[in-house]
Amino acid sequence: AQSVTQLGSHVSVSEGALVLLRCNYSSSVPPYLFWYVQYPNQGLQLLLKYTSAATLVKGINGFEAEFKKSETSFHLTKPSAHMSDAAEYFCAVGAGTSYGKLTFGQGTILTVHP
Amino acid sequence: GAVVSQHPSRVICKSGTSVKIECRSLDFQATTMFWYRQFPKQSLMLMATSNEGSKATYEQGVEKDKFLINHASLTLSTLTVTSAHPEDSSFYICSASHSGRANGELFFGEGSRLTVL
Repeated sequence: AQSVTQLGSHVSVSEGALVLLRCNYSSSVPPYLFWYVQYPNQGLQLLLKYTSAATLVKGINGFEAEFKKSETSFHLTKPSAHMSDAAEYFCAVGAGTSYGKLTFGQGTILTVHP
Repeated sequence: GAVVSQHPSRVICKSGTSVKIECRSLDFQATTMFWYRQFPKQSLMLMATSNEGSKATYEQGVEKDKFLINHASLTLSTLTVTSAHPEDSSFYICSASHSGRANGELFFGEGSRLTVL
């Protein structure tokens, strides 16, 4: 069984500030981990993924995430927030060697203030 | 490339009617598609796995006779909510597994918001 917990349903930062979105997972098998972003009225877009290679994963738009097995975490960060980063972010866990059935976290809405 | 389109994006219907939602992979073939449901302020919950040319596999607790899934071609899966009731109001999102990408990379549709009056 797998589960994902995103800490904080809403995160607000100032433009230029560090973005940190937290994600903890539970998985009975080595996980695949994903971060997706959803802009208003759009589908989910993959930001980055961890698939058992490098633990520090770099994604699009300057985001990165670090897989920490000991902490069962996969937090998403970006050094400097931009207004265009305002969206809802979902952490997800899959199992095995395919994307397959993903279990999603509850989502975190990121607001960026000027 | 790798675009998934859902239609309609919004639908309002009366209680007791049936609603069909389409999920199309526009520029790739998808042998597998997934249907998710998202209630307000909640996570996306997997409803079923749709495989081209075969019956869908439903997750525990999802009524297969209530949510009919058809995957008749490599680019189209449909979800029909039969005899819809207000509690079926939700955001339905599909994703398609790209047959030509490593590990079947998923691409998501824009979602369809169903409101049952």
